[in-house]
Amino acid sequence: AQKITQTQPGMFVQEKEAVTLDCTYDTSDPSYGLFWYKQPSSGEMIFLIYQGSYDQQNATEGRYSLNFQKARKSANLVISASQLGDSAMYFCAMREGVDYNTDKLIFGTGTRLQVFP
Amino acid sequence: EPEVTQTPSHQVTQMGQEVILRCVPISNHLYFYWYRQILGQKVEFLVSFYNNEISEKSEIFDDQFSVERPDGSNFTLKIRSTKLEDSAMYFCASSEWARAGSKEETQYFGPGTRLLVL
Repeated sequence: AQKITQTQPGMFVQEKEAVTLDCTYDTSDPSYGLFWYKQPSSGEMIFLIYQGSYDQQNATEGRYSLNFQKARKSANLVISASQLGDSAMYFCAMREGVDYNTDKLIFGTGTRLQVFP
Repeated sequence: EPEVTQTPSHQVTQMGQEVILRCVPISNHLYFYWYRQILGQKVEFLVSFYNNEISEKSEIFDDQFSVERPDGSNFTLKIRSTKLEDSAMYFCASSEWARAGSKEETQYFGPGTRLLVL
């Protein structure tokens, strides 16, 4: 089974609108971290937002928020007030902790977001 | 704001040649990583490094690969004899800490080195 699933290969949104990018994860580890990264066409990997498995509140960073639903194992990224510069590939990633004791991030396949005027 | 840097940004090499990819992690970070992304594919973990030794490595990280922290700031990935399938974007990353479930585990990525093996 896939550890990180991003079911939307591509999404379109109009400038100034909000958009939700879906991410579900699979782990039995009680301690884990969830991450979203943005990859523009230039190729770099930009960290956006982090959610720890024990965090009670949804994470927010400026226009980015993470809709964390632990029971459903989902960690959707919400971008409010989209801008043209938000057009990029977005990756959801997870790091498992206590039981798996691993350093690596496991990435999803990504969602390509296109913002149009 | 501190950032991870990588050199070179692009490298073209002949099959069978050795390449060294260089990275300068964020200065107060203790954990360092290499990932790769073959064009159009997922980002894949290669290796993690802590306290001057490999902490974890993936199946991809075979004897052709090695990592080193030659001084207090640089972190390198060496590919001894490159193959065509090594063509990819290679990312270096670093994190302050590695305890899962805390924000300090966040891995910050460099801009990548695009390697092309001919």
